[in-house]
Amino acid sequence: GAVVSQHPSRVICKSGTSVKIECRSLDFQATTMFWYRQFPKKSLMLMATSNEGSKATYEQGVEKDKFLINHASLTLSTLTVTSAHPEDSSFYICSARGTLTFYEQYFGPGTRLTVT
Amino acid sequence: AQKITQTQPGMFVQEKEAVTLDCTYDTSDQSYGLFWYKQPSSGEMIFLIYQGSYDEQNATEGRYSLNFQKARKSANLVISASQLGDSAMYFCAMRVHSGTYKYIFGTGTRLKVLA
Repeated sequence: GAVVSQHPSRVICKSGTSVKIECRSLDFQATTMFWYRQFPKKSLMLMATSNEGSKATYEQGVEKDKFLINHASLTLSTLTVTSAHPEDSSFYICSARGTLTFYEQYFGPGTRLTVT
Repeated sequence: AQKITQTQPGMFVQEKEAVTLDCTYDTSDQSYGLFWYKQPSSGEMIFLIYQGSYDEQNATEGRYSLNFQKARKSANLVISASQLGDSAMYFCAMRVHSGTYKYIFGTGTRLKVLA
């Protein structure tokens, strides 16, 4: 149980375009979802926390207008990278936490974004 | 400040031997949780073990055990009988509550198991 999927796993886009990444909890209701960014050989950096039905809480230094997060249902959150630039290339990982998962967050497999 | 520190960027261990990965943390919260995750080259984050701040006994999960020393604010991961498949990046993380729950990660330790 507690499976989180991410789609797509890899995406290459041109500079200036927008990319949407989906994060789904497949067998539980995710009251909270987290979006992380990981640079090569670096740690996970929390970008934002989203609770179902409310606006995401962004970490300091993360541009809200550039990284749009929507958590419209208890099983789906999306991250949209708007007007992507090469410096946005990174590994993006989502995780989900639900009412039945008291202390654990379950991670998606990640999305590798490359902006050319 | 809430922080996780992993001072070992890389570690080597011989197959079948035990290895300890260090983790220290800093928080003013009374209630918190400590986690270890494994990240193989594929990128997925695999949950290994959890220790709650009020847990008196050290957590164990199979070959993984967490050496929790609250007074020293350390939560080291011990892997016994290392296997080649244990080669990966290992992250220590802490769950804190500041308005909402969130997780802070250390910089990671890359473990290489030698045959």
